[in-house]
Amino acid sequence: QITLKESGPTLVKPTQTLTLTCTFSGFSLSTSGVGVGWIRQPPGKALEWLALIYWDDDKRYSPSLKSRLTITKDTSKNQVVLTMTNVDPVDTATYYCAHRQSLIFAMDVWGKGTTVTVSS
Amino acid sequence: DIQMTQSPSSLSASVGDRVTITCRASQSISRYLNWYQQEPGKPPKLLIYAASSLQSGVPSRFSGSGSGTDFTLTISSLQPEDFTTYYCQQSYNSPPDTFGQGTRLEIK
Repeated sequence: QITLKESGPTLVKPTQTLTLTCTFSGFSLSTSGVGVGWIRQPPGKALEWLALIYWDDDKRYSPSLKSRLTITKDTSKNQVVLTMTNVDPVDTATYYCAHRQSLIFAMDVWGKGTTVTVSS
Repeated sequence: DIQMTQSPSSLSASVGDRVTITCRASQSISRYLNWYQQEPGKPPKLLIYAASSLQSGVPSRFSGSGSGTDFTLTISSLQPEDFTTYYCQQSYNSPPDTFGQGTRLEIK
């Protein structure tokens, strides 16, 4: 059974760097075709795709946020970390990580999400 | 970026109704189109992938169709638990895997 869980600060000040960790089980990020992605959802708004890392360390970023995002993986710890620099109140959102199955090109299992508020 | 436009943004229907939600891509995405269902306060749940393939465990009243730029999600007979929000997502031209703006399905 695949599970993912997001963790990180609930409150971050503007201009700070946000670091979120996705800890997963039930699969290995060294298995060919597997990826883990990050998606966020501001309160009352739509989903926004942020970044994705594949088993071979291929990394993909949203073009609009690329300069502020870094995604990394620690295969031995079954973790994926997303960092976002220079946060702003508009980055207030629920952040989800999800398992991406390359065979179906979709996020088939999601974590429950972690809510981050950016405020001074 | 490929833009995904869902219509309608909201829809009122009754239990037992057949409803269709449309998603249009700004350019051809072949069949790289997924549908998700999201209940309030919960993460999205994958319903349909590759335009028409039903994800394991999803009721057969959900179906998807389309290719190129125009896609539909159909719910054949609405159940009370279906009244929530639905999103389409393209995975053809990544990054980003763009989502639509969502369709809220409400009880009439």
